[in-house]
Amino acid sequence: EQQLVESGGGLVQPGGSLRLSCDGSGFPFTNSWMSWVRQAPDKGLESVANINHDESEKYYGDSVEGRFTVSRDNAMNSLFLQMNSLRVEDTAVYYCVRNRGFFALDIWGRGTLVTVSS
Amino acid sequence: QSVLTQPPSVSAAPGQKVTISCSGSSSNIGSNFVSWYQQLPGTAPKLLVYENNKRPSGIPGRFSGSKSGTSATLGITGLQAGDEADYYCGTWDSSLTDVVFGGGTKLTV
Repeated sequence: EQQLVESGGGLVQPGGSLRLSCDGSGFPFTNSWMSWVRQAPDKGLESVANINHDESEKYYGDSVEGRFTVSRDNAMNSLFLQMNSLRVEDTAVYYCVRNRGFFALDIWGRGTLVTVSS
Repeated sequence: QSVLTQPPSVSAAPGQKVTISCSGSSSNIGSNFVSWYQQLPGTAPKLLVYENNKRPSGIPGRFSGSKSGTSATLGITGLQAGDEADYYCGTWDSSLTDVVFGGGTKLTV
């Protein structure tokens, strides 16, 4: 079964940091572009970060550029998102997603909730 | 404001057909493949259509996609109550160098 499982979400104060992790299984993780997509409460989807198979290409959404860093460990089939200088507007469910090609996102995790509040 | 424009809501009766539009520009839909996603309440999105008009394994033929210029359309025939969901279009934007989505369309059956 193709699966992505996120972890690391929780409650954090504005200005704080959080690191999300995502473990993949059942598909060739090493060869896959991966993405983080978030969804604020009752809002639409927003791309956060995209990373290619060997970390030579990374792309970030404008709202997180300079604050978030995406990385991966192919030996562990894991994807990470380091989130610094968190803002209230970063509150959302964060999904780990596999890109099957041409940025068609075909495998989604269940998501992990990040709440930024004082 | 979303980069891609979708109608906020559409509705149709069971058994009928509905189309959902997605409008963009030359830097996104006009030069890249479009995907469509279905998000049932309380669940993660699911890929319905990729590369404009292809369906992943397990997606019924009632769902179809098309693209013309800087617009794309998702069609759903034989509507069922279980199709009630939010639908999103998405693609790569070559100018923004990011994945972009429409604001989502809520389908009521």
